[in-house]
Amino acid sequence: DSGVTQTPKHLITATGQRVTLRCSPRSGDLSVYWYQQSLDQGLQFLIQYYNGEERAKGNILERFSAQQFPDLHSELNLSSLELGDSALYFCASSDLKQGDEQFFGPGTRLTVL
Amino acid sequence: GENVEQHPSTLSVQEGDSAVIKCTYSDSASNYFPWYKQELGKGPQLIIDIRSNVGEKKDQRIAVTLNKTAKHFSLHITETQPEDSAVYFCAATNSYIPTFGRGTSLIVHP
Repeated sequence: DSGVTQTPKHLITATGQRVTLRCSPRSGDLSVYWYQQSLDQGLQFLIQYYNGEERAKGNILERFSAQQFPDLHSELNLSSLELGDSALYFCASSDLKQGDEQFFGPGTRLTVL
Repeated sequence: GENVEQHPSTLSVQEGDSAVIKCTYSDSASNYFPWYKQELGKGPQLIIDIRSNVGEKKDQRIAVTLNKTAKHFSLHITETQPEDSAVYFCAATNSYIPTFGRGTSLIVHP
């Protein structure tokens, strides 16, 4: 167990809908990362937050947004969902003062029908 | 941006054999190279990592080597066991952001 929790574990929704994925980092970790894992694209970095502030952006679509709250949990919002958004979404956390090591959560499997 | 190539995509070995997975990267600014193991239905788990100022690191049956000049790094697993069966990912990290390889499915036959 990495200490990173994600909810929900599974999510099934329809095209055009909006969903929110939640992540709680390991105790003490200030940095949160979001990743998308799909068969055709592999594991792709989406966005990083550090202590509530956006720190780095990767291949994140404009329909997607994220935030990190004062208690350090993070949410990834996906809107106007398309079939191609079906994927595993992982959250990871790290203590940047200790280095680069990231700890991954168990993921949320999103299915868009 | 960074580009990471990982080979092979599938590796089948007999229990007790060694397994080697190789990755190349393109951005010389990358300075941290983690390896992750992902089992079915789980998130990636860090198994070993190496920094750009180190050429080799070993942890029990697992070792990683890094050739900065050639921009490639490798994972070596000795005395493989059936529980080593999983998908392995390499990554090259720059400013805390990793770029992942496409993964290697390792199958260890008892």
